[in-house]
Amino acid sequence: AQRVTQPEKLLSVFKGAPVELKCNYSYSGSPELFWYVQYSRQRLQLLLRHISRESIKGFTADLNKGETSFHLKKPFAQEEDSAMYYCALTGGGSNYKLTFGKGTLLTVNP
Amino acid sequence: GAVVSQHPSWVICKSGTSVKIECRSLDFQATTMFWYRQFPKQSLMLMATSNEGSKATYEQGVEKDKFLINHASLTLSTLTVTSAHPEDSSFYICSAPPLAGRARGGDTQYFGPGTRLTVL
Repeated sequence: AQRVTQPEKLLSVFKGAPVELKCNYSYSGSPELFWYVQYSRQRLQLLLRHISRESIKGFTADLNKGETSFHLKKPFAQEEDSAMYYCALTGGGSNYKLTFGKGTLLTVNP
Repeated sequence: GAVVSQHPSWVICKSGTSVKIECRSLDFQATTMFWYRQFPKQSLMLMATSNEGSKATYEQGVEKDKFLINHASLTLSTLTVTSAHPEDSSFYICSAPPLAGRARGGDTQYFGPGTRLTVL
């Protein structure tokens, strides 16, 4: 069975500090991994995906198949990064069914 | 650009009544739509996959007679919560993968803004 685990329900950091949101997954195959963000009172939106290997809003995430992890990192957190972050996976290709982690609420304090 | 809308955005109803929530894909077609449920400050739980022209596929533990899904066209799926009770109060979100391929930025689907259901 596929599963996404985000061990931290809450994460609080100060502005300018590094931040890492952890995500581990289990899937028998080659999944596609995503990070979604949900700002207060806004709809869920894609932040980044492992295939693109890009940096969005200063965030990066590297897929580590050995550790089955896809941690989200940012070297210097900003107050506007405060939001709910969800790690998710699909089976890849045309399999669009997403399995979400429980989410991590990130609060960046001034 | 491609957008998914939901109507209503919020609804309050009495226990025992039925509530219909619409999910529409704007400017694109979708043969599949997904319905999620989100409890406060918790994750999205996939409830069912809505398939145009055929029966919906429900996830384990989701009562199909309780949550009726109808995918009437390539741009509309509806979720009806029948005989709603307070425990059905939640945030319901739909999403739609575009028929023509990947969404913007390579995402698999577009998400609706959600519908807040409160059952008194």
